[in-house]
Amino acid sequence: GESVGLHLPTLSVQEGDNSIINCAYSNSASDYFIWYKQESGKGPQFIIDIRSNMDKRQGQRVTVLLNKTVKHLSLQIAATQPGDSAVYFCADPSGGGYNKLIFGAGTRLAVHP
Amino acid sequence: DTGVSQDPRHKITKRGQNVTFRCDPISEHNRLYWYRQTLGQGPEFLTYFQNEAQLEKSRLLSDRFSAERPKGSFSTLEIQRTEQGDSAMYLCASSPRGRGPSGYTFGSGTRLTVV
Repeated sequence: GESVGLHLPTLSVQEGDNSIINCAYSNSASDYFIWYKQESGKGPQFIIDIRSNMDKRQGQRVTVLLNKTVKHLSLQIAATQPGDSAVYFCADPSGGGYNKLIFGAGTRLAVHP
Repeated sequence: DTGVSQDPRHKITKRGQNVTFRCDPISEHNRLYWYRQTLGQGPEFLTYFQNEAQLEKSRLLSDRFSAERPKGSFSTLEIQRTEQGDSAMYLCASSPRGRGPSGYTFGSGTRLTVV
């Protein structure tokens, strides 16, 4: 069945370094992806999205790359800050008629001073 | 408006008891969603409403679960005869007309512990 998953459960980085969080998907028909950030005790928060007609999209300190050939996307966070510490999820709404999100298991990002 | 509000934030209940959670969406949002999140996992879709109509239910939503949105505003999620496997964070989200998934705003969730 359809799945969205991440390669690493935990990523530790030094403050100021760049972070890269990866996500693989299995549905070749998926055409839209969203990255969420979830801080402890809170619900997921929208970070950035990308459609399949794009390979790259940039936001404030974040960049998402999409490689449709290998069904992989990544979230890059520049100059990681302590406030970036959270669990990051990629999500795919394509398989549910865009009415529901299919989330991966998440990657925990720990930022060390 | 302060976003999506969920009540209670935490609930501890004994196995076999019934529980009810409430979600107040952002006022102009016509769509409301319920998700369940277990520890270390991503949220899983349960059901969603467009106004007062429940348009889709996941197979995860067993017959012990029922959700309502009677006036198209707040919603309730009831779990009857709770089981330990129901222990999870129950998240509510809402979105405005025409925005799709990028317009989701999640609440902070209700954490249910069944003992």
